[in-house]
Amino acid sequence: KNQVEQSPQSLIILEGKNCTLQCNYTVSPFSNLRWYKQDTGRGPVSLTIMTFSENTKSNGRYTATLDADTKQSSLHITASQLSDSASYICVVSGVSGGYNKLIFGAGTRLAVHP
Amino acid sequence: GAVVSQHPSRVICKSGTSVKIECRSLDFQATTMFWYRQFPKQSLMLMATSNEGSKATYEQGVEKDKFLINHASLTLSTLTVTSAHPEDSSFYICSARTAGGVFLADTQYFGPGTRLTVL
Repeated sequence: KNQVEQSPQSLIILEGKNCTLQCNYTVSPFSNLRWYKQDTGRGPVSLTIMTFSENTKSNGRYTATLDADTKQSSLHITASQLSDSASYICVVSGVSGGYNKLIFGAGTRLAVHP
Repeated sequence: GAVVSQHPSRVICKSGTSVKIECRSLDFQATTMFWYRQFPKQSLMLMATSNEGSKATYEQGVEKDKFLINHASLTLSTLTVTSAHPEDSSFYICSARTAGGVFLADTQYFGPGTRLTVL
């Protein structure tokens, strides 16, 4: 069964600290993996996207890693800011019927406190 | 680029009424649009896939007669919640997929969501 599991479910950190969010998946066949940031009451916004051959991808203070062998990904946030408070969703894309089908993780709710 | 809008952003209605939500791709043509539902503290759940000019494909457990989807043009899809009930209260998000060509161009862009509250 295609699944995406994220941990931790929620996380509280102090402003300026770093944190790492985890994503494990069992989606097959694998096409790509994306991390989204979703602010409360808003739609998801893409942070990074990685294909099978990519191990790491950065977007400002966000760095995503992918280990396709162990089917694990992480999102590292450096020097956190209050505006980083949001849900971070790991989405794995598998190929079905010639198109990508997205499998969503439940998300990690991050709260950055001053 | 690749902006998706939704209207309205928030709607409150009485039980038994119907509500229409619009999803527009503002600066690109979307051959396919998706409708998701998200309950509090849960992730997005795909409701249906809508291809321009054809009938929508609904996920298992989603009532097609209750959630009417129309995708009449390459930039507009609508979701109508018919005879809404309090349990239909949720956050509805659409996404639009660009046409193929370059692999990573085949990606989904999400709208800002519509908060539906049924009294």
